[in-house]
Amino acid sequence: GENVEQHPSTLSVQEGDSAVIKCTYSDSASNYFPWYKQELGKGPQLIIDIRSNVGEKKDQRIAVTLNKTAKHFSLHITETQPEDSAVYFCAASGTGFQKLVFGTGTRLLVSP
Amino acid sequence: DSGVTQTPKHLITATGQRVTLRCSPRSGDLSVYWYQQSLDQGLQFLIQYYNGEERAKGNILERFSAQQFPDLHSELNLSSLELGDSALYFCASSVDSGSSYNEQFFGPGTRLTVL
Repeated sequence: GENVEQHPSTLSVQEGDSAVIKCTYSDSASNYFPWYKQELGKGPQLIIDIRSNVGEKKDQRIAVTLNKTAKHFSLHITETQPEDSAVYFCAASGTGFQKLVFGTGTRLLVSP
Repeated sequence: DSGVTQTPKHLITATGQRVTLRCSPRSGDLSVYWYQQSLDQGLQFLIQYYNGEERAKGNILERFSAQQFPDLHSELNLSSLELGDSALYFCASSVDSGSSYNEQFFGPGTRLTVL
């Protein structure tokens, strides 16, 4: 089955810096890669996703890149703000009736 | 707000007891997923239902069961509770038409504490 590894487990940055979180997956059939942000006491919130037919997707300060050959995908957050502090999860899935497999999460701390 | 609702928000019970967690999916979503999140753990997939039928099973204990009703809401039943069952339980929903990408939207969760 699919296995997703996520690094780093914790990431501390200064406000205004960039943050990068990396994930690798094992199943070459996976073609959908979402990222979730989980704030304390809340459910995971879908913040961006990428499908296998594109290599990069951007939404304001957030971008995701995908390298299908290497089975890597990454989340990039630019101009970080204290409110970006949260736990971020990557995941992988195929299309249709296939469950998401999640990474172990990255705790991002943005210091003012 | 994802549109997925879960009740109750908090649940405190004793070992050996049985509880039921409830989830209402987003309007139009046919699939419901249940996840367990323990302290410092990631999201562990438990079970998926699609339009009333069990679709996939993950790391779900035999003491746990779920069902999805004709109105598409779902319930997760946890019995013979143990201290280690204390966790956050999340429900997620998606359209899951078979050919669509599996965008899942999560509810706010139920925090279960077993004393």
